[in-house]
Amino acid sequence: DTEVTQTPKHLVMGMTNKKSLKCEQHMGHRAMYWYKQKAKKPPELMFVYSYEKLSINESVPSRFSPECPNSSLLNLHLHALQPEDSALYLCASSQVYSTDTQYFGPGTRLTVL
Amino acid sequence: AQKVTQAQTEISVVEKEDVTLDCVYETRDTTYYLFWYKQPPSGELVFLIRRNSFDEQNEISGRYSWNFQKSTSSFNFTITASQVVDSAVYFCALRHQGAQKLVFGQGTRLTINP
Repeated sequence: DTEVTQTPKHLVMGMTNKKSLKCEQHMGHRAMYWYKQKAKKPPELMFVYSYEKLSINESVPSRFSPECPNSSLLNLHLHALQPEDSALYLCASSQVYSTDTQYFGPGTRLTVL
Repeated sequence: AQKVTQAQTEISVVEKEDVTLDCVYETRDTTYYLFWYKQPPSGELVFLIRRNSFDEQNEISGRYSWNFQKSTSSFNFTITASQVVDSAVYFCALRHQGAQKLVFGQGTRLTINP
């Protein structure tokens, strides 16, 4: 089973709202990732968690706050976003070793009004 | 520096034609991993293949085949007898030994017309 699930599928929020994106995997992976993808562009890495600890933050603005409550769950808390943050947000998971493949979820399409 | 180049931005062919998607990479490392992902309109990135830098054996999976050539730093992907369901954006990606970051190419949008 190579399934990574993400909720919600679509999200519309105002610039003053607080919302969260959720990601779950049951493949026993110990690395989880958040990517942001703008239209007609490749995914851009935002955060990486390894063994539930934040290992990479690609200089992401603080209005994005990741959280990894346990080895199966990854959240992305959103607050005071800007319209330019509208994008597809993809979650992925893998084993921690660099030899391993990242498996992606279906993504959350976020629109900030 | 690491870089992946997919020079073909868009390709459009008629169903049943063969099509090759090009991928050229740059790296100074001797150990690295190359990937192809498919992204249909639904948005999910679907893993297709991983190739290690020390394994230059080409691979075939049904209508899909991959040609890895270290001498030209290329990892090309061929779809034989294309079908409408193959329409998607295809990304080539590179990952170094010890690194968690995937370096993606810009993607090739493939359209298969009936």
